[in-house]
Amino acid sequence: GQNIDQPTEMTATEGAIVQINCTYQTSGFNGLFWYQQHAGEAPTFLSYNVLDGLEEKGRFSSFLSRSKGYSYLLLKELQMKDSASYLCAVRGYGGATNKLIFGTGTLLAVQP
Amino acid sequence: DAGITQSPRYKITETGRQVTLMCHQTWSHSYMFWYRQDLGHGLRLIYYSAAADITDKGEVPDGYVVSRSKTENFPLTLESATRSQTSVYFCASSGTSQNEQFFGPGTRLTVL
Repeated sequence: GQNIDQPTEMTATEGAIVQINCTYQTSGFNGLFWYQQHAGEAPTFLSYNVLDGLEEKGRFSSFLSRSKGYSYLLLKELQMKDSASYLCAVRGYGGATNKLIFGTGTLLAVQP
Repeated sequence: DAGITQSPRYKITETGRQVTLMCHQTWSHSYMFWYRQDLGHGLRLIYYSAAADITDKGEVPDGYVVSRSKTENFPLTLESATRSQTSVYFCASSGTSQNEQFFGPGTRLTVL
């Protein structure tokens, strides 16, 4: 079976750092993705990890450990506009496709 | 306009009616996807397509039909709408690198 777990909600303070965790169990693994989704809007791509380690992109970083089935998204210098849902998604092996399995998302509230 | 568009953005229909949701992308992406997003379930894949005339089922295909006669269009049809199909529907596309999916703005469908 396939399962992706992430916390339902988190709260953090403007200017701080927050880490959103994601654990997964999938029948195959070919990459882990993080998407951001503001309320009422479409998801937008944040990061992609296929090898173990940390990928940094500005204020956002994403980490992957394939042996542990674990990833996290790190948001630094939080801003109010970072209040959104953060979706973890895993791509498995499955022929010539790019199918993603999404977690239910973590709703992050950034407070002043 | 360039990008990925969906129409209509909002739709109210009645149980038993046929409804078609449209998706159009201008990037000539090979891959296109239909998701539904519901509270507590996150994004779930309904159908996907790797190229024109090639489609396949995702996690929750029952009650839906797709076609892809042209690369840029990927309509989703609910043959006989049910209340359980009330949801927000997102179309997405990705290119051959398969490392990022671009989402349309979504269609909010209500079945009465």
